Amino acid sequence: QKEVEQDPGPLSVPEGAIVSLNCTYSNSAFQYFMWYRQYSRKGPELLMYTYSSGNKEDGRFTAQVDKSSKYISLFIRDSQPSDSATYLCAMSASQGSGGSNYKLTFGKGTLLTVNP
Amino acid sequence: DSGVTQTPKHLITATGQRVTLRCSPRSGDLSVYWYQQSLDQGLQFLIQYYNGEERAKGNILERFSAQQFPDLHSELNLSSLELGDSALYFCASSHSTGAKNIQYFGAGTRLSVL
Repeated sequence: QKEVEQDPGPLSVPEGAIVSLNCTYSNSAFQYFMWYRQYSRKGPELLMYTYSSGNKEDGRFTAQVDKSSKYISLFIRDSQPSDSATYLCAMSASQGSGGSNYKLTFGKGTLLTVNP
Repeated sequence: DSGVTQTPKHLITATGQRVTLRCSPRSGDLSVYWYQQSLDQGLQFLIQYYNGEERAKGNILERFSAQQFPDLHSELNLSSLELGDSALYFCASSHSTGAKNIQYFGAGTRLSVL
C-alpha cells in the first residue's frame, strides 16, 4: 500500500462548481498536510497547509483533515477556469531525531479542468 | 515567484552524457530538496541537503549525485544519462524548522535525453 493515495482524475467541472479533491494516507505519523497547485510545465505552488485534524479556509479554498480516517480534502468553491491545474497533496512526518530532515510525501496529483 | 531559482530551464542532451542542474534556494532557507517528476511516476523525492550536509535520500540512482555549497546553492549531477532520465527536475527549499516542512519549489529544469 502506498503511503499517500490520490485519484489522478482527470476531473472536469463547469465554471462555478464546487470541487472536492481528496487524498488518503496510511502513515499515522504525518503531522502537516499541504496542498500544492501545479500548472502545466510549472513548479508546484503551495496553496494551503494544515496541522493535525480540522478545517482551514483561505478565500475560495478550504482544506480539511480527518486524522482518524487518514483522509484529507481540498474544496474549491465557485471554481474558475484559472483553477485548471494539477493539485498535489503532500504530508510530512519526522524521519527521526533532529529538526532538519522531515520528509515530504506527495500524492500523484489530480488533474482538474474547469470549463467556462 | 517562489524565490527558488533553477537553471537551466531546458536541457537537451544525448544518452551517456553528463549534465549539471543548478538551484539557488530562497533567501534564508537552509534546506534544499531535489525531485524528479515524470508522467507515470509523479513527484519523486531524490535527495535533501541541509546547510551543506546530506540529510535524506530518496529514490536517487547511483548515477546521480548532488551537493550543497557554502553559499547554499545546490547542484544535481546526472551522469551516464539514459532515455528514461528524461523528466522535469525540481528543486525546493525550506527553512526546515521541524515537521512544518513547507517547501517552496522552483520552476524546474526540463531534461530531454535523446
